[in-house]
Amino acid sequence: EVQLVESGGGLVKPGGSLRLSCAASGFTFSSYSMNWVRQAPGKGLEWVSSISSSSSYIYYADSVKGRFTISRDNAKNSLYLQMNSLRAEDTAVYYCAGAFGVAPLGFDYWGQGTLVTVSS
Amino acid sequence: DIQMTQSPSTLSASVGDRVTITCRASQSISSWLAWYQQKPGKAPKLLIYKASSLESGVPSRFSGSGSGTEFTLTISSLQPDDFATYYCQQYNSYRWTFGQGTKVEIK
Repeated sequence: EVQLVESGGGLVKPGGSLRLSCAASGFTFSSYSMNWVRQAPGKGLEWVSSISSSSSYIYYADSVKGRFTISRDNAKNSLYLQMNSLRAEDTAVYYCAGAFGVAPLGFDYWGQGTLVTVSS
Repeated sequence: DIQMTQSPSTLSASVGDRVTITCRASQSISSWLAWYQQKPGKAPKLLIYKASSLESGVPSRFSGSGSGTEFTLTISSLQPDDFATYYCQQYNSYRWTFGQGTKVEIK
């Protein structure tokens, strides 16, 4: 069974930092590009960042560039998102999502999400 | 950046209805478009990829069409399990963008 399990969310003050993790199982993690997608309360989906299967290619949305860092450890089947200089507008459920192969065919697998709340 | 505009934002329909949701891109994205279904408190689920390819396990009542800047998701006969929010997603220049979503409600 495919599983993506996010962790590391919580309450943090503006300007603070948080590191999210996503543990993968049930599929060949190293064959998938991985992504973070977030959803603010009551709002739509927003792509945050992508990392290729071998970490060779990394991309960020403009809204998080310079503040967030995506990384992965294929030996541990894990994806990470280091979030620094957090703002109130970063408050959201953060999902990790996997996409097979190189062609942009959508995100096949999703985790259940972890809530990040940025508030004083 | 490419903007994705979905219409309508909300749709009221009955079981058995044929439902169509439109997604327009601010510039051509070829066929790099996916559709997702999301239910409250749950992660999105991939329905359609590359504009018209049905994801494995997704019922055949779902179909997608279009290319360039205009795309549609059609549910041929709405079922009780289909009441949810639907999002389109485009890929261009190493970035993904979602539409704002279409909520399909019970009429």
